[in-house]
Amino acid sequence: EPEVTQTPSHQVTQMGQEVILRCVPISNHLYFYWYRQILGQKVEFLVSFYNNEISEKSEIFDDQFSVERPDGSNFTLKIRSTKLEDSAMYFCASSADLSGNTIYFGEGSWLTVV
Amino acid sequence: SQQGEEDPQALSIQEGENATMNCSYKTSINNLQWYRQNSGRGLVHLILIRSNEREKHSGRLRVTLDTSKKSSSLLITASRAADTASYFCAVSTDKLIFGTGTRLQVFP
Repeated sequence: EPEVTQTPSHQVTQMGQEVILRCVPISNHLYFYWYRQILGQKVEFLVSFYNNEISEKSEIFDDQFSVERPDGSNFTLKIRSTKLEDSAMYFCASSADLSGNTIYFGEGSWLTVV
Repeated sequence: SQQGEEDPQALSIQEGENATMNCSYKTSINNLQWYRQNSGRGLVHLILIRSNEREKHSGRLRVTLDTSKKSSSLLITASRAADTASYFCAVSTDKLIFGTGTRLQVFP
């Protein structure tokens, strides 16, 4: 079964450092998402991406966050200057379309900011 | 907010028993999806039910959707210890909005 893959699985970074989380969505999917889950809390929507631009973003997705699809396969989330409260599991997801299909999630990248 | 809210927050049962988890939401949806998450792991898609469907089955899973009440339920029949996980409903419009989840513990 096709799957969304994410790297790294775990990253520890110093506060103020830049972090890039990488994702390879399912190959024929067109819609891409980032979600995050702070330990013990629910999964929160960050951003959706389609046709090489952001479709929607949440209040969490402020100026320190950016997304990019640098080539035909990768989809990245960059956090410019990490804060302690950015520590969370970050999930990448993809779907074939907006309204009717399953959204598939990766295994997540666990980010710890110290 | 269109978020799903689940109840109960936590559920403990013995192997072989059925587990029922409920989800309520607030707005119109395209579909509703249920996911499972083992501790510290990724989100595994279980089942999708469209807004024009009322019931769907997949193996030991049965999902119902009542759009008039804006609610859904997930039933796991004949539970196993391996079903121990958190279960989330997620309502879908142009993105998924997740509920708070139900932590299911199945004792052998």
